[in-house]
Amino acid sequence: RKEVEQDPGPFNVPEGATVAFNCTYSNSASQSFFWYRQDCRKEPKLLMSVYSSGNEDGRFTAQLNRASQYISLLIRDSKLSDSATYLCVVNIPVITTGKLIFGQGTTLQVKP
Amino acid sequence: SQTIHQWPATLVQPVGSPLSLECTVEGTSNPNLYWYRQAAGRGLQLLFYSVGIGQISSEVPQNLSASRPQDRQFILSSKKLLLSDSGFYLCAILSRFYNEQFFGPGTRLTVL
Repeated sequence: RKEVEQDPGPFNVPEGATVAFNCTYSNSASQSFFWYRQDCRKEPKLLMSVYSSGNEDGRFTAQLNRASQYISLLIRDSKLSDSATYLCVVNIPVITTGKLIFGQGTTLQVKP
Repeated sequence: SQTIHQWPATLVQPVGSPLSLECTVEGTSNPNLYWYRQAAGRGLQLLFYSVGIGQISSEVPQNLSASRPQDRQFILSSKKLLLSDSGFYLCAILSRFYNEQFFGPGTRLTVL
């Protein structure tokens, strides 16, 4: 089983649609969870951290289910500019290393 | 704020040639630093990480090496490049506050 697993997509959606991405992780001891966004041929950039209680940032909502070891990202009212690859990221719980495991990414294409 | 510099931005090298990629960081001291590679169409693979000057941990066996001669300098090297070394090389720094990582702009390496 992969340490972090995502559906690679692509997800093709029209502008204004709501789209959800899911991710599962294997290490139950992981404590930090993130969603990153990567544009084509660019470096990944932090989109948002994922907190136990769930959190929202504008059109983006992230949720964590520790019991199922599952993370989700919901994008409402999709914009053309949301087209990118979304990476699910989980920490490796070893003190001081700060190591992260990146999923393969889910590709989103928002169409006009 | 932290800034990560990487150079060169792109590089084309023949098989068997040496490699040196440099990453420098501004705006922080004693950071944890990371080298990742992203092969075409693949996820991010952690290659090396460093928690301090002269301290390097290797994540995967390969013909690459890393060094940290100064607190804010991280170098990725190879004596003889292979075709399989082609990819997008990213340097990252650990945020002290929230455990996320921030990436430099990357070096796109093509080995011919």
